Amino acid sequence: GAGVSQTPSNKVTEKGKYVELRCDPISGHTALYWYRQSLGQGPEFLIYFQGTGAADDSGLPNDRFFAVRPEGSVSTLKIQRTERGDSAVYLCASSLMAGAGEAFFGQGTRLTVV
Amino acid sequence: DQQVKQNSPSLSVQEGRISILNCDYTNSMFDYFLWYKKYPAEGPTFLISISSIKDKNEDGRFTVFLNKSAKHLSLHIVPSQPGDSAVYFCAALGGSNYKLTFGKGTLLTVNP
Repeated sequence: GAGVSQTPSNKVTEKGKYVELRCDPISGHTALYWYRQSLGQGPEFLIYFQGTGAADDSGLPNDRFFAVRPEGSVSTLKIQRTERGDSAVYLCASSLMAGAGEAFFGQGTRLTVV
Repeated sequence: DQQVKQNSPSLSVQEGRISILNCDYTNSMFDYFLWYKKYPAEGPTFLISISSIKDKNEDGRFTVFLNKSAKHLSLHIVPSQPGDSAVYFCAALGGSNYKLTFGKGTLLTVNP
């Protein structure tokens, strides 16, 4: 596709459940990022992939959060035992390579944990 | 501890006038700054950037000014148009070349 695609757009889940959020980056972009935007805040860095490997996962809040990018393209952010505090918009972005100027963002997945 | 601060949550201007959005930062390691624009239900869209070796970058109606000594940057939009109404995020890179640090954003409303 032309841009970064994220699915689903919205996800409502019950506390304690497991969720997966998918990101399809721009074709050819080797760098992929996940950010989280809580209400009234700017996006906050979660994890950065260069190719298939997570080069920096220092922003993941705890071990309930995990992300993969097995073939260096699509990425999945996985959240186990969801909590109400996980409710936020999860944004994915990609760039040609790290440091290559601006990153292009998807529209985000709005996660609501009830 | 916010390293990138946008102290004005909102700004309202008349169409045709200048919009000035401000951003302050605390981390001296930041060396590249970006402005993103965000419409509701969409992801942030890159607008303009500036490297710390410059003090001004212009692109059409958008100009970003950087004052390194004051650790301050501003985005000027002139003339403002109703379609510019959106949330504007200031973001910074430094140390790493991939981890964006964002401010909380400023909601700009341009009134016809």
